[in-house]
Amino acid sequence: AQSVTQLGSHVSVSEGALVLLRCNYSSSVPPYLFWYVQYPNQGLQLLLKYTSAATLVKGINGFEAEFKKSETSFHLTKPSAHMRDAAEYFCAVSERGGYQKVTFGTGTKLQVIP
Amino acid sequence: EAGVTQFPSHSVIEKGQTVTLRCDPISGHDNLYWYRRVMGKEIKFLLHFVKESKQDESGMPNNRFLAERTGGTYSTLKVQPAELEDSGVYFCASRQTGSSYNSPLHFGNGTRLTVT
Repeated sequence: AQSVTQLGSHVSVSEGALVLLRCNYSSSVPPYLFWYVQYPNQGLQLLLKYTSAATLVKGINGFEAEFKKSETSFHLTKPSAHMRDAAEYFCAVSERGGYQKVTFGTGTKLQVIP
Repeated sequence: EAGVTQFPSHSVIEKGQTVTLRCDPISGHDNLYWYRRVMGKEIKFLLHFVKESKQDESGMPNNRFLAERTGGTYSTLKVQPAELEDSGVYFCASRQTGSSYNSPLHFGNGTRLTVT
């Protein structure tokens, strides 16, 4: 069975500071990994995905994530937070093959302080 | 292209009543998924349609939930009778045929269901 664990349900950073949102996964086979973002009153939007090419994945809005197999981690980072980054972020995992059901974490709400 | 649309955006019903949620996927997307998020918890998978067939309904909580996708286009999720624990946000997502890394999930804005 696959699962993801997001450490910290709420994270606060100052505008311009580094953003680090943590995600650890569990999967019996090499997974696909994703980060989704949900802005207020909107659906989930894909930020980036890992599919076994480069371990450092760049996404939209300046976000990136690094796949570390030894640590079973896929942490999301952004060098400098902007007010518009305030949202809820979800890490997700999908196994390869079959219909690749996506399993989500519990989400991390990011607050950006001016 | 139009995105995934869900209706209604909000629904408040009393315990014991019936509610039907609707999802219109992106045109041409064979795969349609229902997910639910209870407040503060993870987004949980409910079921997966491929065209009009239920591919995986392992996440459906119980037989009070009925999902249909007649003709392989839009889908409905009926809750009858609703219980307090059914409150949450119900998300629909669709995806093209093919592996997930090439065609990720596209989500609707969700239906917020409150059962009182």
